[in-house]
Amino acid sequence: AQSVTQLDSHVSVSEGTPVLLRCNYSSSYSPSLFWYVQHPNKGLQLLLKYTSAATLVKGINGFEAEFKKSETSFHLTKPSAHMSDAAEYFCVVSDTNNNNDMRFGAGTRLTVKP
Amino acid sequence: KAGVTQTPRYLIKTRGQQVTLSCSPISGHRSVSWYQQTPGQGLQFLFEYFSETQRNKGNFPGRFSGRQFSNSRSEMNVSTLELGDSALYLCASSLASGVSYEQYFGPGTRLTVT
Repeated sequence: AQSVTQLDSHVSVSEGTPVLLRCNYSSSYSPSLFWYVQHPNKGLQLLLKYTSAATLVKGINGFEAEFKKSETSFHLTKPSAHMSDAAEYFCVVSDTNNNNDMRFGAGTRLTVKP
Repeated sequence: KAGVTQTPRYLIKTRGQQVTLSCSPISGHRSVSWYQQTPGQGLQFLFEYFSETQRNKGNFPGRFSGRQFSNSRSEMNVSTLELGDSALYLCASSLASGVSYEQYFGPGTRLTVT
């Protein structure tokens, strides 16, 4: 069965500095990996996804993530944080053999200081 | 194009009662998935419906059930409510079933069981 671990429950950065949100996964098959963002009182929005194509995936709002099979990691990065990036971020894994059985990480709360 | 809508947005019920939540997918989307989000357990997959058939089911007791209508609208029912059922229930729709189809999330229904 697949699972995902988000290594930090809370990350705090200053506006304009880089963002790194860490995610490790476990999967028996070829995984699909996703990052979602959730702003307060809002639903989840897909930032980016990896589905066995290019290992460096570019998403919306300047975010990107790199799939590293040897490290079983899918860390989310952004070169320069913006105040509007403050939100909860979820790393998600789904085995391609099991449609839509998506396993969510516990989430990382990103705080952006002015 | 209108997004995913969920009704009601907030609900307060008493232990032992039952509740029905509704989800209207984006027009043209045929797959609807349901998730439960709690502070303790995080985001957990409940089930997915596609073309009025349940395609996938998470690890939840039989008190949790759902259905999908011919217009792709979906309802989720929880019977014999327990305090632990208090959660944000999220619905997501996609064009079809499978991880290659992006899921679009609604704002959720916040259920409080007293």
